[in-house]
Amino acid sequence: EAGVAQSPRYKIIEKRQSVAFWCNPISGHATLYWYQQILGQGPKLLIQFQNNGVVDDSQLPKDRFSAERLKGVDSTLKIQPAKLEDSAVYLCASSYLTGRSGNTIYFGEGSWLTVV
Amino acid sequence: AQSVTQLGSHVSVSEGALVLLRCNYSSSVPPYLFWYVQYPNQGLQLLLKYTTGATLVKGINGFEAEFKKSETSFHLTKPSAHMSDAAEYFCAVSFSGGYNKLIFGAGTRLAVHP
Repeated sequence: EAGVAQSPRYKIIEKRQSVAFWCNPISGHATLYWYQQILGQGPKLLIQFQNNGVVDDSQLPKDRFSAERLKGVDSTLKIQPAKLEDSAVYLCASSYLTGRSGNTIYFGEGSWLTVV
Repeated sequence: AQSVTQLGSHVSVSEGALVLLRCNYSSSVPPYLFWYVQYPNQGLQLLLKYTTGATLVKGINGFEAEFKKSETSFHLTKPSAHMSDAAEYFCAVSFSGGYNKLIFGAGTRLAVHP
């Protein structure tokens, strides 16, 4: 079974530029998550989708971050304009069952962003 | 508010020694508890989880953890450390009715020396 796919793996941009990350979850997984992991910290949830609807985006900086999952499968996370403090690993994850807690969440390898 | 605390950002053990990584949670409702491992330049991999039932949970790579409700703890242990266990370990919690949202601790970096 293929895992969660993310691209690009690494990106270096200048501040005020834009960047987009793509994620394809495990086939059949209804729930998709984007986490931000700053160096030395645990991952923090940015946004959670169930199918193509948002169930939690309370920690997404909406003035600069946006995410979509138009057909309920793959997803794109965009940052515009980027700030230095956005340097982090952006982890995409997915889980199979909807509306339940305790299900295993599977993570991709992450997209590493450096803003200079 | 729910939260997770991992005691010790860095733990160092000798190869063959006991590994003990500490995790405490704060919650007003029954939690679901997880341990994930992250190797350098990789994503997170599930080691084990507790949802219901037996409070001693066995995971991959010889790790296990015990849910102790009275102590609000979910410490991770392994009887004998291997060099390959060197990685960062994250404790996480989710809650019934919480749409399977994971809240992570800050992580513990485990070093294993010969």
